[in-house]
Amino acid sequence: DGGITQSPKYLFRKEGQNVTLSCEQNLNHDAMYWYRQDPGQGLRLIYYSQIVNDFQKGDIAEGYSVSREKKESFPLTVTSAQKNPTAFYLCASSGGQRRLPLHFGNGTRLTVT
Amino acid sequence: AQTVTQSQPEMSVQEAETVTLSCTYDTSESDYYLFWYKQPPSRQMILVIRQEAYKQQNATENRFSVNFQKAAKSFSLKISDSQLGDAAMYFCAYRSSGTGTYKYIFGTGTRLKVLA
Repeated sequence: DGGITQSPKYLFRKEGQNVTLSCEQNLNHDAMYWYRQDPGQGLRLIYYSQIVNDFQKGDIAEGYSVSREKKESFPLTVTSAQKNPTAFYLCASSGGQRRLPLHFGNGTRLTVT
Repeated sequence: AQTVTQSQPEMSVQEAETVTLSCTYDTSESDYYLFWYKQPPSRQMILVIRQEAYKQQNATENRFSVNFQKAAKSFSLKISDSQLGDAAMYFCAYRSSGTGTYKYIFGTGTRLKVLA
C-alpha cells in the first residue's frame, strides 16, 4: 500500500544537538511538506517542496533545514538554533496536477532536554 | 495572507446527536479549496471532507456535511448521528487554487468529545 513513512515515532535529543527526522513517501507525489504541531496552535508550516531540488520556507522555518534530493524523500533537520524544538512533527505530501489532497504520515514526537 | 480561524477550542456532543464545528477564513482570492481533517488520539491526520470554492453545492460524505457560505467566508462541519469514534481534534484547512501555490493553511483545531 502507498503511504508516507515517518521515522522514528519518538525521538529524544540533548539540547545543542542537531537531529534529522525522516520522511519517505511511495505515492509518487511531487509536493512534500513539514508541519509542526503544538497544543493550541494547530499545524504550522515549516518547509515545503513542490519538486525535487527545490523547496520554500514556510511560516516558521527558522532553526530548521531540509533537502529534497529524491522525489520520495524530504528529511527535516532540527538544528541547535531552534529555540523550542520539542513538538510533534508531521510530514505530508500531495500529488496530481492540482496537488490535492494532503496526505499525512504518522508523525514524529521530538523531545529535547 | 490567508488565515483560518476555529473559534471553538472544544465541543461536546451526545452519542447519536448532531454537532456543528465552526470555521471562518480570510482571503482575497475567489477560487480555493477548503478541507476538514480529523486527528484521533493516534494522531494520524485523516481527510474528512473537502469543498471547492467554485462549487455552490455543499459537500457531503456519509454523516459529514459542510455548510459553505462563500460570501461570509464560513465553512462549518456538521456531524450527524455522532459516534464514539468521532471523538478527535478537527482541523479546518485552506488552500489557494492558484497554479504553483500549494501551501495548506490550518486552523488551531476543535477538540470534539462524544458522550455516551
